Amino acid sequence: DIQMTQSPSTLSASVGDRVTITCRASQSLTGWLAWYQLKPGKAPKLLIYKASSLESGVPSRFSGSGSGTEFTLTISSLQPDDFATYYCQQYSGYPTFGGGTQVEIK
Amino acid sequence: QLLVQESGPGLVKPSETLSLTCTVSGGSIISSSYYWGWIRQPPGKGLEWIGSVYYSGSTSYYNPSLKSRVTISVDTSKNQFSLRLSSVTAADTAVYYCARPVGTSSFSFFDAWGQGTLVTVSS
Repeated sequence: DIQMTQSPSTLSASVGDRVTITCRASQSLTGWLAWYQLKPGKAPKLLIYKASSLESGVPSRFSGSGSGTEFTLTISSLQPDDFATYYCQQYSGYPTFGGGTQVEIK
Repeated sequence: QLLVQESGPGLVKPSETLSLTCTVSGGSIISSSYYWGWIRQPPGKGLEWIGSVYYSGSTSYYNPSLKSRVTISVDTSKNQFSLRLSSVTAADTAVYYCARPVGTSSFSFFDAWGQGTLVTVSS
């Protein structure tokens, strides 16, 4: 199976900060990578698919980039609603997820 | 807007079978997706894909680590799909999500998720 390593595991930031989360794969994904936002008690939300495609309805402050084995999720200006946990997921093979990044208030 | 919602017992005894159902609303389970899937998240841990089933129920794909214990099936008459996980242990305690994979591939990302249901394995 394809292992996904996400960093950092926790990130402290303030409203308005630029935030970057990294996901590394154990083998090339050819761009088959998605990002999700999770909040307790709510349905997980798809943010990005195919490494850089923004899901409909997701604010443009979210962006994804990368190829091969290294990918990033960037939030250009952190908003109060963005404090959550973020996961990457590869679908080049059977789906596997990164360990998650908790974005908390600084 | 397509919605999916999990239902089932919140407590299961060790060695028994966990059974959950996902109800699809706002669209037909036959025409709204090629596949339907289950994902889980143990307390304090990350997400784990359990498996996916073709809308007709004719084909299923499972996580190799769970394959011997998992069955995912479809009931098109009820617009539902179901998860059965046998011989459960405390390690199967998790929030279980049903979700819709996007596209025609057996492996994909998920664009619609339920809110999740906590299943605890305990005597």
